[in-house]
Amino acid sequence: DTAVSQTPKYLVTQMGNDKSIKCEQNLGHDTMYWYKQDSKKFLKIMFSYNNKELIINETVPNRFSPKSPDKAHLNLHINSLELGDSAVYFCASSPGSGPSYTFGSGTRLTVV
Amino acid sequence: AQSVTQPDIHITVSEGASLELRCNYSYGATPYLFWYVQSPGQGLQLLLKYFSGDTLVQGIKGFEAEFKRSQSSFNLRKPSVHWSDAAEYFCAVGSHFGNEKLTFGTGTRLTIIP
Repeated sequence: DTAVSQTPKYLVTQMGNDKSIKCEQNLGHDTMYWYKQDSKKFLKIMFSYNNKELIINETVPNRFSPKSPDKAHLNLHINSLELGDSAVYFCASSPGSGPSYTFGSGTRLTVV
Repeated sequence: AQSVTQPDIHITVSEGASLELRCNYSYGATPYLFWYVQSPGQGLQLLLKYFSGDTLVQGIKGFEAEFKRSQSSFNLRKPSVHWSDAAEYFCAVGSHFGNEKLTFGTGTRLTIIP
């Protein structure tokens, strides 16, 4: 079983569309994250949820809305996609007693 | 605010040669420190981490790193690289308190030549 799984792995869509990326972890971790890796490979945190509660929101445009229906799932919905949203999005989780992360394999989003 | 600097954007080494990748961090207390590796088109794999205790940390794939508080450094080393080590390497610092976010360096791309 994959510890942190993201779907889809690849996503190609047109500008202006709305899309979602799903993330699930089966590690029993309390905290989940979304990171964005841009074209220069720079990784930056976007959001963090602890037990379904938002605890980090790093100046991300309002078009990005995370949703955590339970502590094992953290989805990312993006409205009105722009070319600059093209990136690899990584989901991660940690147990909440220190940043021991487990990362998903990433979702490569391409906006055309 | 925490930050990480990886001064080398790209390093090329010969197969079998030794390797050292540099990492400097900025953090107000004793940090959590990590090295991750990312192969082309792949996710992030944890090589090793430092939380406390022995400042020389052993990781997977024959890698080690040494935490030097006086130099605010956490350099990654390997005595003999293999062609399969070619990848992007990221150093990261994590907070002890509260939000536990990781702050990554900009990465070092490692190329191995035969």
